[in-house]
Amino acid sequence: TQLLEQSPQFLSIQEGENLTVYCNSSSVFSSLQWYRQEPGEGPVLLVTVVTGGEVKKLKRLTFQFGDARKDSSLHITAAQPGDTGLYLCAGQAPGNTGKLIFGQGTTLQVKP
Amino acid sequence: GAGVSQSPSNKVTEKGKDVELRCDPISGHTALYWYRQSLGQGLEFLIYFQGNSAPDKSGLPSDRFSAERTGGSVSTLTIQRTQQEDSAVYLCASSLERRLWTGIEQFFGPGTRLTVL
Repeated sequence: TQLLEQSPQFLSIQEGENLTVYCNSSSVFSSLQWYRQEPGEGPVLLVTVVTGGEVKKLKRLTFQFGDARKDSSLHITAAQPGDTGLYLCAGQAPGNTGKLIFGQGTTLQVKP
Repeated sequence: GAGVSQSPSNKVTEKGKDVELRCDPISGHTALYWYRQSLGQGLEFLIYFQGNSAPDKSGLPSDRFSAERTGGSVSTLTIQRTQQEDSAVYLCASSLERRLWTGIEQFFGPGTRLTVL
């Protein structure tokens, strides 16, 4: 069974601080996605990484896919209160399927 | 265009009753997924419909859970004889179907919050 371990599960920081969320597995994924979810809504895709070692930037967010495609990280620079939410990593299950395997999520609270 | 819609948004039921949750995917999306989410946690895969193929039911937790998709569009998730541990948010997502699935985006509905008393 493929599992994604996400850490930390909860993070409370002050506005302007930097943070990193980790997503680790013992299994290889063909692609990995990061979603953000706000209360009462469904998750919304932030980024997809496909190639080992790939780095993608989305404004203050930097996403990295490990060389072996088993782990990923999300780094936020100078966090803002608007970044508050639940961040989820999701790996594509093997076998050319659209099915995703999700991590447990990281709840981020950015205080002004 | 409209996104994925789900109904009802909230459902409170008594233990032992049956419930039906509905999902309307984005028009043109032929892949449809159901997930379950406990408070503040990640998503647990339940079932996946891909075009005309047999659904992937590998995530259904028990035979009390079933789902169907009529006409390749609307889907209904049915939970029979509900138990308190079934309480969760049930999320539906849809996506385009294509030959290679790498990096395909899933679009989620707002979910149905189920509470079993």
